[in-house]
Amino acid sequence: EAGVAQSPRYKIIEKRQSVAFWCNPISGHATLYWYQQILGQGPKLLIQFQNNGVVDDSQLPKDRFSAERLKGVDSTLKIQPAKLEDSAVYLCASSPSGVQYNEQFFGPGTRLTVL
Amino acid sequence: GDSVTQMEGPVTLSEEAFLTINCTYTATGYPSLFWYVQYPGEGLQLLLKATKADDKGSNKGFEATYRKETTSFHLEKGSVQVSDSAVYFCALSGGGSQGNLIFGKGTKLSVKP
Repeated sequence: EAGVAQSPRYKIIEKRQSVAFWCNPISGHATLYWYQQILGQGPKLLIQFQNNGVVDDSQLPKDRFSAERLKGVDSTLKIQPAKLEDSAVYLCASSPSGVQYNEQFFGPGTRLTVL
Repeated sequence: GDSVTQMEGPVTLSEEAFLTINCTYTATGYPSLFWYVQYPGEGLQLLLKATKADDKGSNKGFEATYRKETTSFHLEKGSVQVSDSAVYFCALSGGGSQGNLIFGKGTKLSVKP
């Protein structure tokens, strides 16, 4: 079974530029999560989708971050414009459904460096 | 709000030593508790979980027991190996949540031969 795919793996941009990350979850998984992991910290949820609808985006900085999950499968996360403090690893995860006891399966992450 | 506090690292042990990584949590309701592990160069993966009080999760020689009275979920292993070197994250999924995880800061474990 293929795991969660993410691209690119690494990205370096200058502040005020824009960047987009892509995630393809495990086939059949209804729930998709984007997390931000700053160096030395645990991952923090940015947004959660159930199929193609947003369940929780309360911690997404909506003035600069946006995300979509068209057709309820793959997803993109965009930052525009980027700030220095956005330097982090962006993790995508999926699970069969959004219940609290379900295991989440994580992709390898995209490491973003903002200069 | 809900939160997880885990032991600061890094932790360095010799092979075959006993491991404990402490984890305590604050949550409303009845959360599920998890330990995730991140091996060097790899993504996060589930190590073990417990979904109700007094449950014991176990996998690969690691164990953790869900203690509601002390709001703890400490990770233990009786004899660590070099291959256990990784970063370990304690996490919870709250009773009122839609499955999203709240993580601790992570504890880096290095095991020396």
